[in-house]
Amino acid sequence: DAGVIQSPRHEVTEMGQEVTLRCKPISGHDYLFWYRQTMMRGLELLIYFNNNVPIDDSGMPEDRFSAKMPNASFSTLKIQPSEPRDSAVYFCASSPTSRGIYGYTFGSGTRLTVV
Amino acid sequence: GQSLEQPSEVTAVEGAIVQINCTYQTSGFYGLSWYQQHDGGAPTFLSYNALDGLEETGRFSSFLSRSDSYGYLLLQELQMKDSASYFCAGRGFKTIFGAGTRLFVKA
Repeated sequence: DAGVIQSPRHEVTEMGQEVTLRCKPISGHDYLFWYRQTMMRGLELLIYFNNNVPIDDSGMPEDRFSAKMPNASFSTLKIQPSEPRDSAVYFCASSPTSRGIYGYTFGSGTRLTVV
Repeated sequence: GQSLEQPSEVTAVEGAIVQINCTYQTSGFYGLSWYQQHDGGAPTFLSYNALDGLEETGRFSSFLSRSDSYGYLLLQELQMKDSASYFCAGRGFKTIFGAGTRLFVKA
């Protein structure tokens, strides 16, 4: 298995532009998570899906952020419009179950820089 | 609310044993996980404790005491490659990560 695949690896954009981050979870994993990591705030859970349905989006910072999972093999996180404070590493992770015993498998992350 | 507290950094020498502590407050607590993250990399899953006691996986062991809301990660026979950040993560209604402990292994 190729693991969780994220694209792009790096994204540099100007303030006000739309940014779309993409994620392909491991096949058969029913849970998908989007996390954001910064030095100041650490790893923050933004949203998670179960069987393509958003379960908890309370971590989404504001309306500029949206996430979708149109099918079991693809999810997007969109920021529109982007702001410099959105600069962070965004990780997608997947898990076969809500129980922690198998842990989460993280993708390599997308390093977003908004200038 | 949910929060996890762990030391910001720990330094140890190669071949030694180091313990990284984690105390937590989570709603609907199910278990405690540990992750390793090297600089520039992604977190990787190390272990999960749902019940009290010690779980051993090779050189790494993890312990949980639910009554004390406390856990730790024990790394034995430290190697240079163990230099990384280690995160405890509380599995409650959702999984929340601690701020991470940066481990420096010296020769």
